[in-house]
Amino acid sequence: AQTVTQSQPEMSVQEAETVTLSCTYDTSESNYYLFWYKQPPSRQMILVIRQEAYKQQNATENRFSVNFQKAAKSFSLKISDSQLGDTAMYFCAFMKPLTQGGSEKLVFGKGTKLTVNP
Amino acid sequence: GAVVSQHPSWVICKSGTSVKIECRSLDFQATTMFWYRQFPKQSLMLMATSNEGSKATYEQGVEKDKFLINHASLTLSTLTVTSAHPEDSSFYICSASEFGGAAYEQYFGPGTRLTVT
Repeated sequence: AQTVTQSQPEMSVQEAETVTLSCTYDTSESNYYLFWYKQPPSRQMILVIRQEAYKQQNATENRFSVNFQKAAKSFSLKISDSQLGDTAMYFCAFMKPLTQGGSEKLVFGKGTKLTVNP
Repeated sequence: GAVVSQHPSWVICKSGTSVKIECRSLDFQATTMFWYRQFPKQSLMLMATSNEGSKATYEQGVEKDKFLINHASLTLSTLTVTSAHPEDSSFYICSASEFGGAAYEQYFGPGTRLTVT
């Protein structure tokens, strides 16, 4: 079974600075998807960024980028120019999609609580 | 983007009663819906996967008779917590994947806070 590990329960960063959240995962699959979700105090889950394992290029979405190291099974999230609105829980997640014989289930890490300080 | 709603957003019920939570896809047809449970300061735990017109698939350790899931249409799935007890108090979140959409795309509802007194 796949597992996702987030080793940083809590992190803090000053506004406008850069922070990196770590995520490692364990799988024997070669093709899968990795995600970072944000859960602000409202508790609405918001997709931040997605990476397809067969793509070598790291995904980016505005201030958010990932460092995907497939061999090391590492998938870190970098937030640049941190804003107060980035304060949230961040969950790393793994999925093996149906098209690859999976189930579309998301396997979540335990989360990292990020606080952006003014 | 695709929107998923949940109703109610917060419910308080007495121990021993049953409560139903609805999950609706508002602007798309959902082939599959997922139900999660989240305790305070913890991650999401998948409870079950439901497909329209078929029985839900429950994760190991989740009581099927306690958490009844019905996916009667392509836009509605319901979770009924039967004979609720205080330990069932939690935050319940549903997500849905779109029929014909990208295999990896799931849309999350805003969640339902259940408090059992």
